[in-house]
Amino acid sequence: AQKVTQAQTEISVVEKEDVTLDCVYETRDTTYYLFWYKQPPSGELVFLIRRNSFDEQNEISGRYSWNFQKSTSSFNFTITASQVVDSAVYFCALSEISGGYQKVTFGTGTKLQVIP
Amino acid sequence: DGGITQSPKYLFRKEGQNVTLSCEQNLNHDAMYWYRQDPGQGLRLIYYSQIVNDFQKGDIAEGYSVSREKKESFPLTVTSAQKNPTAFYLCASRDRPQGNQPQHFGDGTRLSIL
Repeated sequence: AQKVTQAQTEISVVEKEDVTLDCVYETRDTTYYLFWYKQPPSGELVFLIRRNSFDEQNEISGRYSWNFQKSTSSFNFTITASQVVDSAVYFCALSEISGGYQKVTFGTGTKLQVIP
Repeated sequence: DGGITQSPKYLFRKEGQNVTLSCEQNLNHDAMYWYRQDPGQGLRLIYYSQIVNDFQKGDIAEGYSVSREKKESFPLTVTSAQKNPTAFYLCASRDRPQGNQPQHFGDGTRLSIL
């Protein structure tokens, strides 16, 4: 069975600090996809990044960076020089084929508060 | 603009009442999903549909029903059998049921019991 663990329930940082959100996953499949979504107070989940199981390259997009390590089954997300607008709940998700369709399992989310 | 529209934003249910949450998408996506979000929990899948006139139960389908008569519409009914309906409900879509594309989400409906 697939599982996603986000051990950090809430994190508070002061603006301009760097912050890393942890995500650990479990799966028996060799082919799977990992996602990060951001949920601002408005409620809508916004897609941030997708990574497939064969691509362990780290990625940087502006102030965001992602570290994917299959050896530790982790897909961590770092925000550099955090801003107040980064305050939101962040979800990590795992997608794999199950019963003939692409099943997505979400972690419980990490609530990030950036204090000005 | 293409996207997913959920309505209403807030909904109140009386005891023993069925209520229906609307989800409409103009993205021409084949697959649609309903999730339930409770405080401190991740999103849990209620129902999903891979194609028109077909839908499957997710992990927590008891007390809910859906229909998929049109590609763009996937309404969710919360029946009186659902004893704890208070939650935030999110509708999502994906262009194809398979593949690696991310899901697109609506703004959600917050359901409460009166």
